[in-house]
Amino acid sequence: AQSVTQLDSHVSVSEGTPVLLRCNYSSSYSPSLFWYVQHPNKGLQLLLKYTSAATLVKGINGFEAEFKKSETSFHLTKPSAHMSDAAEYFCVVSDGADRGSTLGRLYFGRGTQLTVWP
Amino acid sequence: DAGVTQSPTHLIKTRGQHVTLRCSPISGHKSVSWYQQVLGQGPQFIFQYYEKEERGRGNFPDRFSARQFPNYSSELNVNALLLGDSALYLCASSLGRARGLYGYTFGSGTRLTVV
Repeated sequence: AQSVTQLDSHVSVSEGTPVLLRCNYSSSYSPSLFWYVQHPNKGLQLLLKYTSAATLVKGINGFEAEFKKSETSFHLTKPSAHMSDAAEYFCVVSDGADRGSTLGRLYFGRGTQLTVWP
Repeated sequence: DAGVTQSPTHLIKTRGQHVTLRCSPISGHKSVSWYQQVLGQGPQFIFQYYEKEERGRGNFPDRFSARQFPNYSSELNVNALLLGDSALYLCASSLGRARGLYGYTFGSGTRLTVV
């Protein structure tokens, strides 16, 4: 079975300080992992994805995530938060082998709401 | 290039009614997936279609159905609406290659309110 656990439902940081959003995954297969961001009343935007290449993945807007198989983690980080980063963030796993299909079904975490204080 | 287009953007229906939501994928994308996002939760998988065939179904009742057309657009139908069907319905398109390597692009969603 595939699942993700986002360890924090809310994270608050001051502008200019580092951001850490934590995610642990469970997968029966070698996973594909994603982070998506959702701004209020908007759809989901892909930040970055891991697909078994480099374990440190760089995404858009200065975000990056590190895949650690031994810890089954895929935490999202950013060195310096900006006010525009305030949004809901989702950690997502896809294995693509569900029911024998070669296409990937996405399993979302419950989300982490990031608040950035001025 | 246009992104994923969903219509309508907002919809209010009464319990027991039927609703049809529509999605147009990115040009060249052959797979469409539907997700339900209830307020305060992450999206839940409903259906995936590829080349007009159902390739996956989530844990939703038979009141939910979908189809994909020859131009790869898709419709999600929900019958006998319940208050609990109120949610943001998201459509995602992808090339349909193996194991999500090519990522998914989401539309802005349809906000359905059942009263």
